[in-house]
Amino acid sequence: GEDVEQSLFLSVREGDSSVINCTYTDSSSTYLYWYKQEPGAGLQLLTYIFSNMDMKQDQRLTVLLNKKDKHLSLRIADTQTGDSAIYFCAETGYTGGFKTIFGAGTRLFVKA
Amino acid sequence: ETGVTQTPRHLVMGMTNKKSLKCEQHLGHNAMYWYKQSAKKPLELMFVYNFKEQTENNSVPSRFSPECPNSSHLFLHLHTLQPEDSALYLCASSQSAGTDTQYFGPGTRLTVL
Repeated sequence: GEDVEQSLFLSVREGDSSVINCTYTDSSSTYLYWYKQEPGAGLQLLTYIFSNMDMKQDQRLTVLLNKKDKHLSLRIADTQTGDSAIYFCAETGYTGGFKTIFGAGTRLFVKA
Repeated sequence: ETGVTQTPRHLVMGMTNKKSLKCEQHLGHNAMYWYKQSAKKPLELMFVYNFKEQTENNSVPSRFSPECPNSSHLFLHLHTLQPEDSALYLCASSQSAGTDTQYFGPGTRLTVL
C-alpha cells in the first residue's frame, strides 16, 4: 500500500527555523497536508497544498512540494516554544478510492 | 460548540465493560471517521461514514462497533476490549469522504485494564 514517512524527532533553538520533511509514495496524490498535535489534543490542520502547486506560504509557515521526488516539507520561521508539538504529514490520493494516509509524526522540540 | 467535539475525554474500563465513545461535529459535514492513535505508530483509520453509510472498515475487530445515526453524530461502542486497545481515539469529519480536508476532535484517551 501507499506510505508516508517522516523522521520522528527534530530539535531546534528558539528563534531558529525548523524544517520538517516528509516523503510519500502515492503518485496519485491530490492534496497534501500538515497537521499539528499538541499534548493531550487532537490534530489541528495547519495548512495544505494542492498537488499542482510548488509552494504555499502562510505567515511563519512555508510548504514546499517536490512532486517529482514525492517530497513535502514544512518550514516554520522564527520557531517559538509554543511550536513544540508533533507534526503530521498526510496525503490524499486515489488508489481504489480516495484515501488519506498519515505519516507517523515528527516531534518538534524547541529549546529556549 | 464549534468544530468537532468528543466525549468523554478520558475513559478507563475493564476488559468486561461496555462503554461508548461519542463524537459530534458542528461543521455541516457529511463524512465522519474514527482513528486509533497508539504510541509511536501512524494513525490507523478504523471506520469511515459518508452520508450515514459506512464506506470503510479497515479490518477492525468486532469488539469495536460504530454507529452513525445522522451526519452530525458518530459513536464507537466498545465491548470486551483488550489492554492493547488502549490508545487515543480520534474522530474527524469532512465535507464528504474522499478528497475533502478532515477536521479532528480532541480525542478520547482510552485505558483498558
